[in-house]
Amino acid sequence: SQQGEEDPQALSIQEGENATMNCSYKTSINNLQWYRQNSGRGLVHLILIRSNEREKHSGRLRVTLDTSKKSSSLLITASRAADTASYFCASHNTDKLIFGTGTRLQVFP
Amino acid sequence: DTGVSQDPRHKITKRGQNVTFRCDPISEHNRLYWYRQTLGQGPEFLTYFQNEAQLEKSRLLSDRFSAERPKGSFSTLEIQRTEQGDSAMYLCASSLIDQETQYFGPGTRLLVL
Repeated sequence: SQQGEEDPQALSIQEGENATMNCSYKTSINNLQWYRQNSGRGLVHLILIRSNEREKHSGRLRVTLDTSKKSSSLLITASRAADTASYFCASHNTDKLIFGTGTRLQVFP
Repeated sequence: DTGVSQDPRHKITKRGQNVTFRCDPISEHNRLYWYRQTLGQGPEFLTYFQNEAQLEKSRLLSDRFSAERPKGSFSTLEIQRTEQGDSAMYLCASSLIDQETQYFGPGTRLLVL
């Protein structure tokens, strides 16, 4: 399978804490994207980082990319209960997305 | 709501029956993708269309699966002779040709008994 892996599989934190998720992918990429999925729903795009970028910020999100290690990380700062969801990285390769296995984040009030 | 709709949202069927799902993409989007997601896993690519042309099919898409996008607008995904292993969430996404992000619909959850 070309599917990437994410670590940790599950993460529980308190509101206000930071959450870090890591992703490893297998193929060469045009870009690496992160999506969020609330329970049983569709995916929502969060942020995209291109293969020639090393770090990107969007609001409370910070993404890093290390193409030499084929890895990326997503940091959510000052988490909120509404951030509770599953988070997936997706490598963009020849027009399709190859998703990781996901991290389930639970943020307790 | 991303603007991509899928119908039905839930489907329960018996093994051996045929099922068909529909996806309506964002109206100006040329590309339409189908993914399958099993419990606890990330979505896996099945196939995609550019306008009405089916450009790529995954090896996951067995002979029992067929997808169409006849007029380059909505798409249907049909599964013939369903098996219990087909139970999953089927996700549709759309994008413009030069757009790298995809907009996902809410998915159709299939349960094969």
